[in-house]
Amino acid sequence: QVQLVQSGSELKKPGASVKVSCKASGYSLTSYPINWVRQAPGQGLEWMGWINTNTGNPTYAQGFTGRFVFSLDTSVSTAYLQISSLKAEDTAVYYCARADWLGAWFDPWGQGTLVTVSS
Amino acid sequence: DIQMTQSPSSLSASVGDRVTITCRASQSISTYLNWYQQKPGKAPKLLIYAASSLQSGVPSRISGSGSGTDFTLTISSLQPEDFATYFCQQSYSTPRTFGQGTKLEIK
Repeated sequence: QVQLVQSGSELKKPGASVKVSCKASGYSLTSYPINWVRQAPGQGLEWMGWINTNTGNPTYAQGFTGRFVFSLDTSVSTAYLQISSLKAEDTAVYYCARADWLGAWFDPWGQGTLVTVSS
Repeated sequence: DIQMTQSPSSLSASVGDRVTITCRASQSISTYLNWYQQKPGKAPKLLIYAASSLQSGVPSRISGSGSGTDFTLTISSLQPEDFATYFCQQSYSTPRTFGQGTKLEIK
């Protein structure tokens, strides 16, 4: 079945970097866009942006430029989110989600990756 | 950015009740509106896309309606597995934005 499987939880110190993976199975990664969504503890959903899986071109929402990088490795059907210079306020669950070909709705979602930033 | 406002923020109801959750957009978004269900510790799950289309596998007691700025998600007869948090999301423009969520709790 179509699914996205994300890498496991991470505990990082402020200033460090983290790379979250999102492996697609049951379909071709390059057929649909991948979106990234952040959910801070006890909070709502915040769209971070998306990556065109055909061209590798990323688009970032305001507030997610500079320290956030979306990338792909199509040879292993995997999308990545890298966050550098981590801050305490980056502590959140990060989700990848496949969008339909219009990029409108998100289904399925990965199971989420908790990134905790603490000294 | 388009702001999405859900009401109520929380709701208590009983099994068998009919419940309606409302989502209002800060500008017209036609029918570019999706609904998700999220249970604690789990990823969101798509329920409704394009305002009223039921995602495959979602029970028919769940329905969506609306266009323009006002949308509703209705659960016709609550089941125990429906107690969760529900989010709306607009796909009319970027950035994609979500409502703040409606937590549906057991009365």
